Amino acid sequence: AQSVTQLDSQVPVFEEAPVELRCNYSSSVSVYLFWYVQYPNQGLQLLLKYLSGSTLVESINGFEAEFNKSQTSFHLRKPSVHISDTAEYFCAVSDLGNAGKSTFGDGTTLTVKP
Amino acid sequence: EAGVAQSPRYKIIEKRQSVAFWCNPISGHATLYWYQQILGQGPKLLIQFQNNGVVDDSQLPKDRFSAERLKGVDSTLKIQPAKLEDSAVYLCASSSGRAERVYEQYFGPGTRLTVT
Repeated sequence: AQSVTQLDSQVPVFEEAPVELRCNYSSSVSVYLFWYVQYPNQGLQLLLKYLSGSTLVESINGFEAEFNKSQTSFHLRKPSVHISDTAEYFCAVSDLGNAGKSTFGDGTTLTVKP
Repeated sequence: EAGVAQSPRYKIIEKRQSVAFWCNPISGHATLYWYQQILGQGPKLLIQFQNNGVVDDSQLPKDRFSAERLKGVDSTLKIQPAKLEDSAVYLCASSSGRAERVYEQYFGPGTRLTVT
């Protein structure tokens, strides 16, 4: 069975500071990995994904995540955050061949302060 | 392209009452998911449909929860009777069902259920 652990439930940072949201997973097979973002009173939106190829993946708004198979991690980073990045972030894992089923972590609340 | 639609957005009921949620996925998406998101937790899969067939309902409390997707398009999730612990946001998601795209889920805004 697969599982996801998001190591920090809340991360407060100041605007323009760098941030890292940590995600570790466990699975006995090869996986796909995802980060979703949830703004207040909205549904989850896919932020970025690792399916295959380069282990470093990027989003259009400056976030990046690196798949580290040996450490079973998929940490999310941004070098300089904005107030508008304040949201809840969820890491998710899918076992290959599992018909699209994903297991989600419990989320990390990122609060960007001015 | 229209997103995943859900209704109602909010619902308050008393315990032992019944409630139903509706979801209309993105046009052409074969796979539909219902998740339960309890405050402070990540979404937990309740049921997954591929067209109008059930792929996975192992986490669905079948004594009180039911779901259907009769024509392979929109779907309804029902709770009868509701318990206090059913208070949560119910999220619907869909994916295209084609190769790797099946893993890219698009979520609706959710229905916030409060059971008193």
